[in-house]
Amino acid sequence: DTGVSQNPRHKITKRGQNVTFRCDPISEHNRLYWYRQTLGQGPEFLTYFQNEAQLEKSRLLSDRFSAERPKGSFSTLEIQRTEQGDSAMYLCASSRTRGTEAFFGQGTRLTVV
Amino acid sequence: ELKVEQNPLFLSMQEGKNYTIYCNYSTTSDRLYWYRQDPGKSLESLFVLLSNGAVKQEGRLMASLDTKARLSTLHITAAVHDLSATYFCAVDNRETSGSRLTFGEGTQLTVNP
Repeated sequence: DTGVSQNPRHKITKRGQNVTFRCDPISEHNRLYWYRQTLGQGPEFLTYFQNEAQLEKSRLLSDRFSAERPKGSFSTLEIQRTEQGDSAMYLCASSRTRGTEAFFGQGTRLTVV
Repeated sequence: ELKVEQNPLFLSMQEGKNYTIYCNYSTTSDRLYWYRQDPGKSLESLFVLLSNGAVKQEGRLMASLDTKARLSTLHITAAVHDLSATYFCAVDNRETSGSRLTFGEGTQLTVNP
């Protein structure tokens, strides 16, 4: 399977715990995006990488959120001190270059209890 | 700030009927994408529209783009139950360097026998 891969698929955590998600993009894609989707809404942009450089972050990405893409390959999204409002589907997407089609992974569904 | 609006948000239609979903956006863009999302699943790319007047068709779905009117349409011909899903349009935000996508709220389509 050469698509975008995300792990885990589901995560249930207690409020205040830290969680980390992983995304493996399509191998030749330079750009990697993280989006968040809550029930009944469209995905909202969180952050984007070109290779290993994080070039843009949304206002939605509070100080509790951090993302990395070491060596321009896979990416991780960490949420510290989770809150119930963090419950959502976290989607990763990758694209070859600017303006080309973005392919989405299956997502990680986070539930904070 | 780029805004993307879809209508209708909910659409219930009978098999065999035709209907159109509209996507309006607020700033200049010449790249528009349509995605399909099944419940609990990720986004599947349907169409990429890259220029004014672009029209693409796949099966019972046809998408078009009018950049002057800042409008895209997704037309459904002779709907079948398998088309039941949520459909999102997304616009490439040229105001940012990363070309992140701004999504509409989605149109939840239900096709009834």
